[in-house]
Amino acid sequence: GAGVSQSPSNKVTEKGKDVELRCDPISGHTALYWYRQRLGQGLEFLIYFQGNSAPDKSGLPSDRFSAERTGESVSTLTIQRTQQEDSAVYLCASSRGTSGRARGETQYFGPGTRLLVL
Amino acid sequence: QKEVEQNSGPLSVPEGAIASLNCTYSDRGSQSFFWYRQYSGKSPELIMFIYSNGDKEDGRFTAQLNKASQYVSLLIRDSQPSDSATYLCAVNKGNTPLVFGKGTRLSVIA
Repeated sequence: GAGVSQSPSNKVTEKGKDVELRCDPISGHTALYWYRQRLGQGLEFLIYFQGNSAPDKSGLPSDRFSAERTGESVSTLTIQRTQQEDSAVYLCASSRGTSGRARGETQYFGPGTRLLVL
Repeated sequence: QKEVEQNSGPLSVPEGAIASLNCTYSDRGSQSFFWYRQYSGKSPELIMFIYSNGDKEDGRFTAQLNKASQYVSLLIRDSQPSDSATYLCAVNKGNTPLVFGKGTRLSVIA
């Protein structure tokens, strides 16, 4: 079946502009995650959606970052007034849900959006 | 103490050797453990998961879990140059997202 998809695959923007990144999770996956990965660095957790529960926004680095999800489908990550330090790959992942069972927790990643802020 | 710790490497092994990748975690309540592989410029892909003490084998890969020592490892037998990548350890504590280590970079030398 189709995996996680993200768009755009690459985005170049000027400092101060807003950008919107999109993620389409695997159908039926209730959990969705956003991560940031700077060049040569590990995964930095940003935000997590689980079903209709309030999202876990504990990883968002500043109030310039926000994310929304409509039901159990598409999510958008918005970065306002972009800064050069926002340049990174933004990865989205989805899973069936954090049920406590390993298979349900397996996160499947999309190909990422490479953001470059000039 | 970081929640999930991995040696950043690089770990260099000759082709055909066994590569041993290690990961320690701090939360004794952790329930399931995952290994992901990430090639340069690509997104992470799942290799395998384990949630019971002992060994779990899948092809050339073996995951080992020791909950008493809070230690999980990944062995890659007959290492190939195509195994050269960064290997991410991830831990789940139950009703929370996975917590990822920073990864170990493996280089298999032909």
